Amino acid sequence: AQSVTQLGSHVSVSEGALVLLRCNYSSSVPPYLFWYVQYPNQGLQLLLKYTTGATLVKGINGFEAEFKKSETSFHLTKPSAHMSDAAEYFCAVSDSARQLTFGSGTQLTVLP
Amino acid sequence: DAGVIQSPRHEVTEMGQEVTLRCKPISGHNSLFWYRQTMMRGLELLIYFNNNVPIDDSGMPEDRFSAKMPNASFSTLKIQPSEPRDSAVYFCASSPGTRGNTIYFGEGSWLTVV
Repeated sequence: AQSVTQLGSHVSVSEGALVLLRCNYSSSVPPYLFWYVQYPNQGLQLLLKYTTGATLVKGINGFEAEFKKSETSFHLTKPSAHMSDAAEYFCAVSDSARQLTFGSGTQLTVLP
Repeated sequence: DAGVIQSPRHEVTEMGQEVTLRCKPISGHNSLFWYRQTMMRGLELLIYFNNNVPIDDSGMPEDRFSAKMPNASFSTLKIQPSEPRDSAVYFCASSPGTRGNTIYFGEGSWLTVV
């Protein structure tokens, strides 16, 4: 069985500050890991994903995430928050099947 | 290229009525997924198809829900009869079908049952 835990359902940062959204996973096989973003009234859009290879993955809009097997983590970071980053972020895991299991989401608020 | 297309975008219906949500996946994608999103339960996988065949429907909440994929370019999710607790956003998504491929989401169908 696979699962995802996102620590913090709401995160607030000031514009220009570091963004850190936490994700821990559980998987019985080497996982494939994803971060999606959802803007208001829209569907989910892929930010980045880790399948194999380099553990530091870069995505769109300046986001990146690092796969740490020893910590079973895949935290999402961005050095400097922008107002347009305000959205809900979902971490997801895929083990042996084709579908994804999503975390409960983290709502990011960016303060001016 | 067109993304995943869902209709209707918004639907308000009365309890007891039948609701049909429609989805056109991205051309060439072999896997199709139906998700439901609510504040209480987050994102839940209802069912997914591979090559038009239902693979896992364990997330379908009860017999009132049914999903079909008659061909590679069309799927429906039907609720009959609808209940207020079915109010949610229903997302259709598709992917090329191999583990690790990106799953692409539609804009969602916002259902309100009154």
